[in-house]
Amino acid sequence: DAKTTQPTSMDCAEGRAANLPCNHSTISGNEYVYWYRQIHSQGPQYIIHGLKNNETNEMASLIITEDRKSSTLILPHATLRDTAVYYCIVRLIFGNEKLTFGTGTRLTIIP
Amino acid sequence: EPEVTQTPSHQVTQMGQEVILRCVPISNHLYFYWYRQILGQKVEFLVSFYNNEISEKSEIFDDQFSVERPDGSNFTLKIRSTKLEDSAMYFCASSGRPGLAGGGTQYFGPGTRLLVL
Repeated sequence: DAKTTQPTSMDCAEGRAANLPCNHSTISGNEYVYWYRQIHSQGPQYIIHGLKNNETNEMASLIITEDRKSSTLILPHATLRDTAVYYCIVRLIFGNEKLTFGTGTRLTIIP
Repeated sequence: EPEVTQTPSHQVTQMGQEVILRCVPISNHLYFYWYRQILGQKVEFLVSFYNNEISEKSEIFDDQFSVERPDGSNFTLKIRSTKLEDSAMYFCASSGRPGLAGGGTQYFGPGTRLLVL
């Protein structure tokens, strides 16, 4: 079972920042927080991951709380192409552990 | 940017037939995975593979399934005798060496849509 909980769905206006929350209260010190998204039935797309510090790349920013029990994915200027299902996944740092997908958050960008 | 590719993109087969789904992982990756997604359901893990051995498999991955790395570039999933319930999108993924540098990030292919009639 997935070790994370996410809202089922969210809407965001085009051009605004989309903030997607995730709870992972049982995360351990040797686990990353990963974010993927899936547009329609395409393959899951890697977005970003982090351990305990905030991270930013060309796609998004990841804010992890100090206690690491929750995180927020931020898409700074959402476009219609960001409409997708977003998955927050906890995974061991070491080892080739599988990814356990939950139901994710269906993000709809509104024109 | 390197990417994972899969062939075919679509496959239609008769129940009981064998199918082979192919994946070309990112070139310097050594860890390989197969997942599937039945229409409208979650993405489910099938199997992971490293150093020519299965690392982990799910309960879905029964004796009808097998994986192989026939050469230095391809990674295949074989279903020996397909069933109606095998109809799904099949995704392969690959990753580099896991560790603090984040090398274990899995990158997914676009998928093969398998339809069993």
